[in-house]
Amino acid sequence: GENVEQHPSTLSVQEGDSAVIKCTYSDSASNYFPWYKQELGKGPQLIIDIRSNVGEKKDQRIAVTLNKTAKHFSLHITETQPEDSAVYFCAAGAGFKTIFGAGTRLFVKA
Amino acid sequence: DTGVSQDPRHKITKRGQNVTFRCDPISEHNRLYWYRQTLGQGPEFLTYFQNEAQLEKSRLLSDRFSAERPKGSFSTLEIQRTEQGDSAMYLCASSLARGQGSNGGYTFGSGTRLTVV
Repeated sequence: GENVEQHPSTLSVQEGDSAVIKCTYSDSASNYFPWYKQELGKGPQLIIDIRSNVGEKKDQRIAVTLNKTAKHFSLHITETQPEDSAVYFCAAGAGFKTIFGAGTRLFVKA
Repeated sequence: DTGVSQDPRHKITKRGQNVTFRCDPISEHNRLYWYRQTLGQGPEFLTYFQNEAQLEKSRLLSDRFSAERPKGSFSTLEIQRTEQGDSAMYLCASSLARGQGSNGGYTFGSGTRLTVV
């Protein structure tokens, strides 16, 4: 079946450094790639998304890149801050269904 | 509108009991989803409604699970004869889709954490 693989599962960075999370997907029909941030005790929150007709998108300190040929997409967070500490999920959507990765726990050390 | 609301936030039940969870989506959203999330994993798709019609159910959803969305507004997820393996966070999400083939970002509720003892 369709799946989304996400790496690394845990990432620890120093405040001010960059963080990169990578995902691969299997369903060639996927055309929508959102990223969610989940804090303790809360539901996932959409932070940025990209569609298959775009290779890159940036929103302040967050950027996403997509390589449809290789079925890879990545999240880049620059100038990390302690409040960026959370679990991040990538996902791939086709039609109504969205498949999530297993998550990356990001720790930003002050 | 304050977002997606889920009730209750926590539920502890004995094995074999039935439980029902409620989700109130964002009012103008036409799609509603139920996902299940276990510790250290991403959300897993359970079922999906477009307005009041339940259009898809995951194979994860056994016969003990049933979901409804009467009148295309709030939704309920019922689990009958609960088992310890049902312990998880049950997440509801809603979205606004402009066409059957289109998709977009979800707004998730805070979830209902179920513990079956």
